[in-house]
Amino acid sequence: AQSVAQPEDQVNVAEGNPLTVKCTYSVSGNPYLFWYVQYPNRGLQFLLKYITGDNLVKGSYGFEAEFNKSQTSFHLKKPSALVSDSALYFCAVRGYGSSNTGKLIFGQGTTLQVKP
Amino acid sequence: DGGITQSPKYLFRKEGQNVTLSCEQNLNHDAMYWYRQDPGQGLRLIYYSQIVNDFQKGDIAEGYSVSREKKESFPLTVTSAQKNPTAFYLCASIPDGPRGNQPQHFGDGTRLSIL
Repeated sequence: AQSVAQPEDQVNVAEGNPLTVKCTYSVSGNPYLFWYVQYPNRGLQFLLKYITGDNLVKGSYGFEAEFNKSQTSFHLKKPSALVSDSALYFCAVRGYGSSNTGKLIFGQGTTLQVKP
Repeated sequence: DGGITQSPKYLFRKEGQNVTLSCEQNLNHDAMYWYRQDPGQGLRLIYYSQIVNDFQKGDIAEGYSVSREKKESFPLTVTSAQKNPTAFYLCASIPDGPRGNQPQHFGDGTRLSIL
């Protein structure tokens, strides 16, 4: 069965410092991996995805993520955090091949708090 | 601009009442999805539809029903059988078929509460 884990409920970082939000996954075959951000009472906004190729993926708002197949991880990173980055972040995996119905399996979410 | 519109933004349900959440998209996407979001649990799939007049149960379909009579519309009914309906409900769609790799697009959600 496919699953996604985000081991930290909350990450606190000072503005201007680098941030990392962790994600590990368990899938059979090659995964399609996604990061989304959610602001209060809003839907999810797509940040970036890994499909294949370069392990370092760049996305919106200066975010990037590193795919590590041996560690089955897909951590979200940003070199310099902004207060406006404070939000709820979700990692998700989509099935691959014949089992791919388009549905996403989500981690439980990580709240990022960036303090001035 | 194309997108997904969910209405209403807030909804209140009385005991024994069925309520329907609307989801409309003008993105010309074939596949649509309904998720339920509870604090600390991420999003869980309720139902999905890959094509008009066809839909499949997700992981937590009990107490919910859907229809897909038009490509643009995928309404979700929360029935009286759903004993704990208080949650944030999100509708999503994708532009490609089952073997694609595109991200899902999300609406802004409906927050359902019990009166």
